[in-house]
Amino acid sequence: QITLKESGPTLVKPTQTLTLTCTFSGFSLSTTGVGVGWIRQPPGKALEWLAVIYWDDDKRYSPSLRYRFNINKDTSKNLVIFTMTNMDPMDTGTYYCARVEITYAGILRQDAFDVWGLGTMVTVSS
Amino acid sequence: QSALTQPRSVSGSPGQSLTISCIGTNSDVGGYNYVSWYQQYPGKAPKLMIYDVNKRPSGVPDRFSGSKSGDTASLTISGLQAEDEADYYCCSYAGSYSWVFGGGTELTVL
Repeated sequence: QITLKESGPTLVKPTQTLTLTCTFSGFSLSTTGVGVGWIRQPPGKALEWLAVIYWDDDKRYSPSLRYRFNINKDTSKNLVIFTMTNMDPMDTGTYYCARVEITYAGILRQDAFDVWGLGTMVTVSS
Repeated sequence: QSALTQPRSVSGSPGQSLTISCIGTNSDVGGYNYVSWYQQYPGKAPKLMIYDVNKRPSGVPDRFSGSKSGDTASLTISGLQAEDEADYYCCSYAGSYSWVFGGGTELTVL
């Protein structure tokens, strides 16, 4: 069974850095074609893709916010750490991590975020 | 990289069929057959319903189907049921191992 779980602070102050951890089980982040991504959702609004890290340590970020993000993995501990600098009240929302698979080198995969964590609510307020 | 365009809301009666559109560009929806759809109930995490434009994960009812024409992807739900009332999001691969989501569609079963 594949599971992911987000953890981190529920409240951060403006200008602070947010650090979230995604702890997962049931798959390996060293498997070709596999990645873990972060997606956020402001209250009452749409999902927004933020970042992803792949099995080969390739890291990709949303172009509009890329300079605020960093993502790293610890394959041996099955976790992904996501940081977001200079937090603003507009960054308030639920942050999800999710497994993503991509077809690579002829290995067919689902090319989608197939398993999601429950999400963690982050409020940015002074 | 702009969000994919979805209708804000759609509605239908039980038993009917309805379609949700997802409009992108040739840099995302039109450029790759990597469109996925997610169902989200209030306060819950999204659930994958369709991947690779028209494939269903195990356990997803065959009432849900996906298609694509040019820069527009579509999710069709046939035989609408009360339990289908939820928010639906499309997502597309956008090249260079990046992704983009749609603005979401609220589906109401009348």
